[in-house]
Amino acid sequence: DTGVSQDPRHKITKRGQNVTFRCDPISEHNRLYWYRQTLGQGPEFLTYFQNEAQLEKSRLLSDRFSAERPKGSFSTLEIQRTEQGDSAMYLCASSLVETREAFFGQGTRLTVV
Amino acid sequence: AQSVSQHNHHVILSEAASLELGCNYSYGGTVNLFWYVQYPGQHLQLLLKYFSGDPLVKGIKGFEAEFIKSKFSFNLRKPSVQWSDTAEYFCAVSYDYKLSFGAGTTVTVRA
Repeated sequence: DTGVSQDPRHKITKRGQNVTFRCDPISEHNRLYWYRQTLGQGPEFLTYFQNEAQLEKSRLLSDRFSAERPKGSFSTLEIQRTEQGDSAMYLCASSLVETREAFFGQGTRLTVV
Repeated sequence: AQSVSQHNHHVILSEAASLELGCNYSYGGTVNLFWYVQYPGQHLQLLLKYFSGDPLVKGIKGFEAEFIKSKFSFNLRKPSVQWSDTAEYFCAVSYDYKLSFGAGTTVTVRA
């Protein structure tokens, strides 16, 4: 499968713990995005990379959130000191600059208990 | 900030019925428009997109959408739905690189 891959698919964690998610984009895609989706809502933009550079972060991304894309390949999204409000589906997408069409992964569903 | 509004939260219809889902957006400049579909248990998939040119665009699985600039709308249509069209449908708008999504419409097609 050459699509966008996310790991893990599901994560249950206790409040206050740190969690890290991984995204492997389509190999030739130079843009990578993170979105968050809560029940009954569409995905909301969190942050975006072009190659290894993080070019924008949404105001939704508090200081507890950090994202990296070392070497412009896979990306990680870390949430420190998780809160119940962090429970959501975290989606990763990738695209080429030229085509502007984003391909989404299946997401990581986070439940904070 | 731009916003996207989808008119219906949940639509229920029978097989062979026609489907139309409304989508309006707030941004007044040049935009790129998309419809994504999410089948149960699967990831978001692109149904169709509009960047420029003919405002009537055709996508996969018999879907089409019409961009009406004066109405800031990009409605999705399918003349005859099948049970397999049961899914959640999202309208999205982009004027740069990031997407703004509507809240989604759940479509249930009864056999």
